[in-house]
Amino acid sequence: DSGVTQTPKHLITATGQRVTLRCSPRSGDLSVYWYQQSLDQGLQFLIQYYNGEERAKGNILERFSAQQFPDLHSELNLSSLELGDSALYFCASSAPTGTDTQYFGPGTRLTVL
Amino acid sequence: QQQVKQSPQSLIVQKGGISIINCAYENTAFDYFPWYQQFPGKGPALLIAIRPDVSEKKEGRFTISFNKSAKQFSLHIMDSQPGDSATYFCAASTRAQKLVFGQGTRLTINP
Repeated sequence: DSGVTQTPKHLITATGQRVTLRCSPRSGDLSVYWYQQSLDQGLQFLIQYYNGEERAKGNILERFSAQQFPDLHSELNLSSLELGDSALYFCASSAPTGTDTQYFGPGTRLTVL
Repeated sequence: QQQVKQSPQSLIVQKGGISIINCAYENTAFDYFPWYQQFPGKGPALLIAIRPDVSEKKEGRFTISFNKSAKQFSLHIMDSQPGDSATYFCAASTRAQKLVFGQGTRLTINP
């Protein structure tokens, strides 16, 4: 158990809908990263937050957004969902600045029908 | 330049054998190279990691070999066991930033 929690574990929804994925980092970790894992694209970095502020952006679609709250949990919002958004979404956390190790949560499997 | 190329895509090894997975990178700014193990339905779990100032790191049956001049690194699993059957990802990052992952290797250890 990495100490990173994600909810829900599974999510099934329809095209055009909006969903919210939630992540709680390990105790004391300030950084949260979101990754998407699909069969054809592998593990792709989406976005990073550090202590509530956006730190870096990767291949994140404009239909996707994220935020990190004062209690350091993070939410990834996916809107106007398309079939191609079906994937595993992982969050990871790391300790305060200077530590490279990222610990991954169990993921949320999103299925868009 | 941000890519990490991993090979092979799949690998079958007999129990007790050595499993070897290779990765190559282009970005010389990368300064952290972890390997992750992922079982079906689970998140990636950190296995072992290395920095470019050392050429080899060993933890139990797992060894990373690092060749800075060739911009290559590899994972060796000694005495491979059926429980090692999983997907393995190499990755690289710069200054505690995002991880850039290889495409993954599906390892099967035959009993």
